Amino acid sequence: AQKITQTQPGMFVQEKEAVTLDCTYDTSDQSYGLFWYKQPSSGEMIFLIYQGSYDEQNATEGRYSLNFQKARKSANLVISASQLGDSAMYFCAMSLDTGRRALTFGSGTRLQVQP
Amino acid sequence: GAGVSQSPSNKVTEKGKDVELRCDPISGHTALYWYRQSLGQGLEFLIYFQGNSAPDKSGLPSDRFSAERTGGSVSTLTIQRTQQEDSAVYLCASSLRRGPYTFGAGSRLTVL
Repeated sequence: AQKITQTQPGMFVQEKEAVTLDCTYDTSDQSYGLFWYKQPSSGEMIFLIYQGSYDEQNATEGRYSLNFQKARKSANLVISASQLGDSAMYFCAMSLDTGRRALTFGSGTRLQVQP
Repeated sequence: GAGVSQSPSNKVTEKGKDVELRCDPISGHTALYWYRQSLGQGLEFLIYFQGNSAPDKSGLPSDRFSAERTGGSVSTLTIQRTQQEDSAVYLCASSLRRGPYTFGAGSRLTVL
């Protein structure tokens, strides 16, 4: 069974600085996808970025990039130039491309951006 | 619709009552998922529907929980004989067969 581990329950970062949120995963499947979601205090889940296991380049979406290290089974999220609005819970998740497609989520990291 | 719609947004019920939570996915999305999020916790998978295939019910915590999806669109999650530990936010998401999920705003269930 697949598993997602987020070892940082909480993180602080100064506004305008970059921050890395850690995520490691465990699966025996070769074909899978990795996702990051943001959950502000309002509760909605907002999709940020996706990385396929066969993608050779790291995914980027605006200020978000995913540092994918397949051999280490890590998929860290990098947020550049942090903004106060980035304060939220961040969840790493994985789905398999075959078989069970439901997302498996990590426990989340609460990011607080300080002015 | 433009997004995933869930109703009710808030539900308070008494222990032992049955509740129904509704999810209206994005038009054209063939996959629909239900998750549960307890206070301060991550998301727990409950059930997954994909097209006309048999649903993946492997995440349902007990036989008090059931879900159906009618006409490949709207889904209803039913919790029978609610218990206090059922209190949580129930999130629905939909997607194309491949691609990112779009989540609804959730239904907050409180069992007194």
